Amino acid sequence: QSVLTQPPSVSETPGQRVTISCSGSSPNIGSNIVNWYQQLPGAAPKLLIYNDNQRPSGVPDRFSGSKSGISASLAISGLQSQDEADYYCASWDDSLNGLVFGGGTKLTVL
Amino acid sequence: QVKLQESGPGLVKPSETLSLTCTVSGASISTYYWSWIRQPPGKGLEWIGHILYKGNTNYSPSLKSRLTISVDTSKNQVSLTLASMTTADTAVYYCARALIGRTYPDWLDPWGQGTLVSVSS
Repeated sequence: QSVLTQPPSVSETPGQRVTISCSGSSPNIGSNIVNWYQQLPGAAPKLLIYNDNQRPSGVPDRFSGSKSGISASLAISGLQSQDEADYYCASWDDSLNGLVFGGGTKLTVL
Repeated sequence: QVKLQESGPGLVKPSETLSLTCTVSGASISTYYWSWIRQPPGKGLEWIGHILYKGNTNYSPSLKSRLTISVDTSKNQVSLTLASMTTADTAVYYCARALIGRTYPDWLDPWGQGTLVSVSS
């Protein structure tokens, strides 16, 4: 059972927009920043969104992050087949004094 | 360009101690925090812990009693030692640079390619 809750899977057709939710609580998302990671099949995770809504250099602006209260979301617009991956949210947890991840969401582009 | 490369045994026996090394290139190990994360086959990511070059560490509560993370600044390496291994510790182990967000070293970039460690007799 992960500290941060994500839907196990989402799917959408190419060109459309999809959102992935990440639900936490006061000691983590409610108090600290949220970061998102993309893990392509067979690859290591890669930082996708940091500091709630910032994109590292090289990440397309089709990817965006937002946060409100104890929840965060990752939105992907203009879906492409190469976006098929697992997506993880993460945040520091003040109670556990450590980094916590969501369980991951598998995105399928139909 | 910062690159990280994990190395270590692919197989360890139950009750043995795992030792992994992460070799960093393109950045001084004395500048950042460095984290270890693992991923059991087919499952999600689990944070193991992190270290600052001075030796300041922070460990996952669930692993703290068995875990040691250290740095060797002369070799620009970070090491992980996990004692009393069980089959539940079978996972891909990743190292990553940890950057400070608002307060904590909580965003991880980049990551190494990972190394699979299997625990079996």
